[in-house]
Parts: sequence; structure tokens; C-alpha cells
Amino acid sequence: NAGVMQNPRHLVRRRGQEARLRCSPMKGHSHVYWYRQLPEEGLKFMVYLQKENIIDESGMPKERFSAEFPKEGPSILRIQQVVRGDSAAYFCASSPQGPKNSPLHFGNGTRLTVT
Amino acid sequence: QKEVEQNSGPLSVPEGAIASLNCTYSDRVSQSFFWYRQYSGKSPELIMSIYSNGDKEDGRFTAQLNKASQYVSLLIRDSQPSDSATYLCAVNIEGDDKIIFGKGTRLHILP
Repeated sequence: NAGVMQNPRHLVRRRGQEARLRCSPMKGHSHVYWYRQLPEEGLKFMVYLQKENIIDESGMPKERFSAEFPKEGPSILRIQQVVRGDSAAYFCASSPQGPKNSPLHFGNGTRLTVT
Repeated sequence: QKEVEQNSGPLSVPEGAIASLNCTYSDRVSQSFFWYRQYSGKSPELIMSIYSNGDKEDGRFTAQLNKASQYVSLLIRDSQPSDSATYLCAVNIEGDDKIIFGKGTRLHILP
């Protein structure tokens, strides 16, 4: 009964490199959300996806950030040309239905450090 | 701007007492409410969800929702040191596709 799986747990990138964060939702869940958390801060919504569709990306920076959830395989959050300000914990969450009716189940997160 | 507000704390409560955590939200049409617990360096864990006015109890936890006053609270009875964590309030607003989180309240249970 695997939960939400995120990898890698820790990721170190130099400024200007690309970061790819992966998320496999819980079995039976087709709704995926990505959040960012800075130290001592709350969770900031980034994007909400269903299979092959971006439903809401209002929290995603317009440049350098993209997300996908293909028909097969995990959801990917991609950050191009990383900067120090991208250093944060990135959490993925999944649910079996949309946000009105079902809570989110979180993965363990990916801690991104940009040097 | 739709917001979820929580007192950042820390809230210090003696072991065995009742801890009361509050959350207010700005949008009157919010419909789904959630409380999460987050230990330092860990991911959020769901404690409870509540969708209608009134109280909902689960073990030592009780969630209270008052949509007219736009607040939701979490009571923890018989507080234990292991309850020391940050508690996050989360809200889904009708017609919106995301769940918004407050910044959390740090709770410290004094042994």
C-alpha cells in the first residue's frame, strides 16, 4: 500500500542547471498537486494536474518552471536554470478526487539546494 | 485575495491539557477544510477533514467549523509531548481547483 512517492529526496544543483523532481501518486489517485515550502513558511500552491492535463497552474512562476503528468509514468516538476531562490522543499500530494471532496496525501518531499 | 490565517505561535500547552488551534479564512464560499500536522523536516500528515458546520471528533482530536464566522478550529485533548509540531489549516474554496494552506501554528507541549 505505497503512499505518494517522490524522488529524489535531496537534490543539489548549481546555479543555471536544471532540476527535475518526480512524483508517483498513490494507487488509484489521478489528481496531483505540487507545493513549495520555504523554511519556517507555509505550503505555497504551485500547480494542480490530472492525467495529461494541467488544471490550475496559477501558483507557478511564469518562467523556468513547468509541470506535467503524462498518461504513463510519474508527474514531473521541472525547473530550468535554477537560482538560489529556488532552494526549498517541494512537496507533491495526490487525491482520488478533486479538492472539494477529498484531502491531499503528501509525499516525503524533495529538498532542493541550489549552490 | 483569498487567504487562510493562523497564529504562528509558538503555542505552549502543559501535557494533559487541551490545545486549541484556530484558523480563519477570507472567502465565505469555502467548503472543504482540513487540518494537517507537520513535524520539523517531515511532510504534512492529514489529521482531519471537515465539510459541514459543527463538530467532528476523531480520538483526541475535535475539529469545529463555523462557516458564518469563517473560522475552523482544532482541539487536542490530553495533549502529549508527541503532539508538538506545526499544525496547518487548509481550505478549498468553491469554484476553485486548489487547496490553500495557512502558514501554520507551532504547538509545544510542555512535559
